[in-house]
Amino acid sequence: DQQVKQNSPSLSVQEGRISILNCDYTNSMFDYFLWYKKYPAEGPTFLISISSIKDKNEDGRFTVFLNKSAKHLSLHIVPSQPGDSAVYFCAVPTQGGKLIFGQGTELSVKP
Amino acid sequence: SAVISQKPSRDICQRGTSLTIQCQVDSQVTMMFWYRQQPGQSLTLIATANQGSEATYESGFVIDKFPISRPNLTFSTLTVSNMSPEDSSIYLCSVARDRGSYGYTFGSGTRLTVV
Repeated sequence: DQQVKQNSPSLSVQEGRISILNCDYTNSMFDYFLWYKKYPAEGPTFLISISSIKDKNEDGRFTVFLNKSAKHLSLHIVPSQPGDSAVYFCAVPTQGGKLIFGQGTELSVKP
Repeated sequence: SAVISQKPSRDICQRGTSLTIQCQVDSQVTMMFWYRQQPGQSLTLIATANQGSEATYESGFVIDKFPISRPNLTFSTLTVSNMSPEDSSIYLCSVARDRGSYGYTFGSGTRLTVV
């Protein structure tokens, strides 16, 4: 059973516009959420995180929003740049250090 | 945060053979994690490698197929044994970025193709 879901396999956005990547989860006990970015032929790179006690965390062009009642989080990238084109994963850390990943969303930012 | 050197970066192997993947970390870490990303799918944890004890395997993964060594706090290997085309995947090692952090650093991955 998929505990972390990214229902959009791909997203295409024009340069300068906002990119919104979505993630849903099933377990209300999760207390931390992570976003990773992955380029081809590279390992995932940690991007931004949010604690369950917050509803927003911002780092430069990247903002993550958490809606606990809906068990939903989203990553906003503003403005989007061609270098942001990558696969984005949401992930949840569990006891023992295991990360549970969503399926990923491939973002393509067009110049 | 830790820097991980993983090799080989890619390999093409004959079915029935084995491949050993190495991960070297530039600092001592307690736990190292091995993940697999099958084509078009998400990352799935194979096992957790602890120094001085046997690795802990996730459901669906067994030691005979994916033996792991962890001889010290900076190094680990994962072997994919008796390979079949279904083992074609990207294999990644990972460590915690720093103490108390929930972010994890990943190696660059090993792209394995079994023919």
